[in-house]
Formats: sequence, structure tokens, C-alpha cells
Amino acid sequence: GAGVSQTPSNKVTEKGKYVELRCDPISGHTALYWYRQSLGQGPEFLIYFQGTGAADDSGLPNDRFFAVRPEGSVSTLKIQRTERGDSAVYLCASSRTGTAYNEQFFGPGTRLTVL
Amino acid sequence: GQQLNQSPQSMFIQEGEDVSMNCTSSSIFNTWLWYKQDPGEGPVLLIALYKAGELTSNGRLTAQFGITRKDSFLNISASIPSDVGIYFCAGLRGNNNDMRFGAGTRLTVKP
Repeated sequence: GAGVSQTPSNKVTEKGKYVELRCDPISGHTALYWYRQSLGQGPEFLIYFQGTGAADDSGLPNDRFFAVRPEGSVSTLKIQRTERGDSAVYLCASSRTGTAYNEQFFGPGTRLTVL
Repeated sequence: GQQLNQSPQSMFIQEGEDVSMNCTSSSIFNTWLWYKQDPGEGPVLLIALYKAGELTSNGRLTAQFGITRKDSFLNISASIPSDVGIYFCAGLRGNNNDMRFGAGTRLTVKP
């Protein structure tokens, strides 16, 4: 399909471990977003890429969270020293550009469980 | 945290009934959006509103952008079982990255 894909769909890890979550945006979309969705809540913005650069990382909760998009396409969200409170669904979205309003298309998310 | 107050939190209705849900904020937004999320999926855009006072329809869905730019509502007419899901409002202040979501309205439709 031509939509946003995310891998893995589910990830279970132990407290203190390192995890990487991958997002493949829609081809040609220059803007990419990461959100975190806790149970019973709406998505909360984490970070936004325009091309290869992180244009806004104000939503990252602390320095254990980091994301990259080295070639302006695939992005990886990295979480170090995971904590139980990091358990959530991590959603990725992409849009044609990030300037002005452009529809964001969401992937199915990665459900992260930290034991 | 959430900056949009969405209500009701959940609704249980009979098939064929109309549904109304709304979203309010203490902040002004330039764009209001309504999304639907099915289990195990990401949100899917239903309606986007760009101007204060704008009323927009998409099939059985109608949404309005409040005059004050601090609220929006979504109506669903003649509900059907596939309307089941969680509906989110979202607001954009300026650039595309500054999107804030409500906590969602969980809709259950009884056949």
C-alpha cells in the first residue's frame, strides 16, 4: 500500500532497555511527525521533521527520547533507558509539506509496553 | 497535556439516531479538524475547517468552526454500526506541526 507504515506493530521490553521504532512515510512527503497516544487520550505531539532536520522537538518529554531522519524519508524514534511510563502507542504521520495546513496521514502505530 | 476539552467522553446510541459532540478551548485555533480512529489504526481525517463560522459537510457528517475560533462541533446523522469508533477533535494554531488533540469521544452504536 501507499500509506504510512510503522514497525514493529507491537514491542514489549523491560524497564531500562533501549528501543527503536521505525516509520516509513508516504513517498514524496517531506514532513514527518511523531506522536504519543496514552490509553484513553488523544495523540500528543513529540517531534516534527521537515526533510532531514528536526524542525520542532518541543514535544519530546526528556533527553531519553531522540529521533532521526537521516535521508529525509524513513524516521526512527529512539528511547533510551525505558520506563514503565513510556508505555503507549507511538504514532507517526506524514504530510506533503509542513508549512501551512496539509493533511497529516497517520500510520497504524507501534504499541510499546515496558514491563 | 490536552489543551482541548472534548465532550462527551462516550456515547451509546441506537442505530439511526443523530449524534453531536463538541470541542472547546481557551486558546484560539486557525484550523479545526475532526478525526476518527478505529482500534489498532491511526486517526483518519474526516473534516477540516479553515475559517471561523465555516460549516462543512462530508456525507452524513457536518462540522462547524466556531465564531470565536475556540470551539467546534461534529454532528453525525442517521448513525450506522460502522460509525463505531473514537472521534477526536484537533486544532492547529499556525504551522502544520502545532496540532493539539482532544481526549476523544468513544461512540458505540447499537443495532
